Amino acid sequence: GQQVMQIPQYQHVQEGEDFTTYCNSSTTLSNIQWYKQRPGGHPVFLIQLVKSGEVKKQKRLTFQFGEAKKNSSLHITATQTTDVGTYFCAGPFGSNYQLIWGAGTKLIIKP
Amino acid sequence: NAGVTQTPKFQVLKTGQSMTLQCAQDMNHEYMSWYRQDPGMGLRLIHYSVGAGITDQGEVPNGYNVSRSTTEDFPLRLLSAAPSQTSVYFCASRYVGGTTNTGELFFGEGSRLTVL
Repeated sequence: GQQVMQIPQYQHVQEGEDFTTYCNSSTTLSNIQWYKQRPGGHPVFLIQLVKSGEVKKQKRLTFQFGEAKKNSSLHITATQTTDVGTYFCAGPFGSNYQLIWGAGTKLIIKP
Repeated sequence: NAGVTQTPKFQVLKTGQSMTLQCAQDMNHEYMSWYRQDPGMGLRLIHYSVGAGITDQGEVPNGYNVSRSTTEDFPLRLLSAAPSQTSVYFCASRYVGGTTNTGELFFGEGSRLTVL
């Protein structure tokens, strides 16, 4: 069946270093969404990418959707303590009402 | 607006007990869904609904029932709780339509269930 693989599972960074998480789908996606979940919290929508090759920025966050619409990435420049949490990608399948989720990448800031 | 409200926030059950997790949204969203989240895993869809009177199964529906009698409410029933149902449950809703037919999911704060 359709799968969305997300790597790495964890990334430890020093504050100020960059962070990147990658998402790969086994099939072409019509769009991809990214969410952030703070520790003990609930997922919060960050962005939706729709177009092939699309790049969108939100302050220090850069989101990319691959040309083949099968992969995506989220890059955070100069991480801050407020960036701590788990970042998930999700893509639609079936009737487009359902989302299939990556397992998430946990961003950990080293003390 | 309150958004998506889930109750209870915490619950401990014994094996074999039944219970209902409540979910209500005040955004007039057609789509509502229930997910479970287990450590190290992404969100897995249990059941979803695209409108009042319409429900469908997700990825992991066994052991759970849902109903959608109103646009606002989407309760999740555990029929006979098992330790494997220990998890964090999230209700989420969104508007249906637009060019992609998917869009931002709004989540409740979660219900942490432990089955002993």
